[in-house]
Amino acid sequence: QQQVKQSPQSLIVQKGGISIINCAYENTAFDYFPWYQQFPGKGPALLIAIRPDVSEKKEGRFTISFNKSAKQFSLHIMDSQPGDSATYFCAASKPGYALNFGKGTSLLVTP
Amino acid sequence: DSGVTQTPKHLITATGQRVTLRCSPRSGDLSVYWYQQSLDQGLQFLIQYYNGEERAKGNILERFSAQQFPDLHSELNLSSLELGDSALYFCASSVGGLAGETQYFGPGTRLLVL
Repeated sequence: QQQVKQSPQSLIVQKGGISIINCAYENTAFDYFPWYQQFPGKGPALLIAIRPDVSEKKEGRFTISFNKSAKQFSLHIMDSQPGDSATYFCAASKPGYALNFGKGTSLLVTP
Repeated sequence: DSGVTQTPKHLITATGQRVTLRCSPRSGDLSVYWYQQSLDQGLQFLIQYYNGEERAKGNILERFSAQQFPDLHSELNLSSLELGDSALYFCASSVGGLAGETQYFGPGTRLLVL
């Protein structure tokens, strides 16, 4: 049973555009929501993370928006660049437990 | 470079065989996690060790086992291999194994079972 549902499965965005990836969860005990970025042939790497006590977190061009009541969170990539082309995974965990990952979104940013 | 190393990088074997995947965590990290990544299931948590002790278990098959040694490196043993075990296996490490800690992933071992 997939505890974190991610969409879309793939995304094509033009350079300079905004990439938006969405995730939804059911378990209200989750209290940590990271996003990981994975390039081909590499392991996932932490991009940005949020806790449910804030509704938004921004780091450079990357922003997480968090809606606790809707049990949804999303990643926004502003001014998308070809170098952002990668697979993005959302995840969630509850205290003392491992990460539950979404199935990933393959992002392609075209020049 | 995350500082987590995994060997081998690639592994090709036959059904019914047994293999061992090795992981060395980042210096100072006490916790090691194993994940399986496949196209249809995504990244699935298998098992976590903290300072040599098993801390949490996920979707790990009975044919699979793991351990963490006193020097903190970890091994994942896969036995009676089936075609469906073909996947990328990642090891990750974190400082204390607590929720909310950044997990640093290794480059993975690609296993192909023929």
